[in-house]
Amino acid sequence: DQQVKQNSPSLSVQEGRISILNCDYTNSMFDYFLWYKKYPAEGPTFLISISSIKDKNEDGRFTVFLNKSAKHLSLHIVPSQPGDSAVYFCAARPKTSYDKVIFGPGTSLSVIP
Amino acid sequence: DAGVTQSPTHLIKTRGQQVTLRCSPKSGHDTVSWYQQALGQGPQFIFQYYEEEERQRGNFPDRFSGHQFPNYSSELNVNALLLGDSALYLCASSLGHLGGNQPQHFGDGTRLSIL
Repeated sequence: DQQVKQNSPSLSVQEGRISILNCDYTNSMFDYFLWYKKYPAEGPTFLISISSIKDKNEDGRFTVFLNKSAKHLSLHIVPSQPGDSAVYFCAARPKTSYDKVIFGPGTSLSVIP
Repeated sequence: DAGVTQSPTHLIKTRGQQVTLRCSPKSGHDTVSWYQQALGQGPQFIFQYYEEEERQRGNFPDRFSGHQFPNYSSELNVNALLLGDSALYLCASSLGHLGGNQPQHFGDGTRLSIL
């Protein structure tokens, strides 16, 4: 049973436009959420995070929104750049087990010049 | 500032063999987590080592074991390899005393292929 879901395996966006990547989760014990970006042949790199006590966190072009009632979060990238083309993983950490991070299957973003 | 380093980069084994993968954490980090990433999937948590002990474990069989050394480096051992063990194995490091609300730093992984 997948606790973190990313239902869009891939997404294509024109350069300069907004990219919106979605993530849904099922475990109400999750209280900390992260987004990682992964280029081919490299390990995931941390992008942005949000605690469950917040509903928005912003860092430059990247904003994460959390809707706890819907168990949904989204990552907005504005404006999108070709260098943003990568696989994006949504991840969550349960409050009862801070050592264990649960990853979604990822969404492959292509930003078209 | 050295990041997380993993060795080897690639490895080919046959069914039934045993394998050892190695990880050196980012400078200053004392906690190491191991993940398995199968093709088309997200990383799956195997276990975490802190103070040379396994602190948390995911849903992996006992064929998967690990070790952490006094210098915080770590090894992942897999016995009796199966075809399904073919995957990218990722190591991530962090600071154990900071608790859960911190991002982990990942290495580039070891690509393990089982024939």
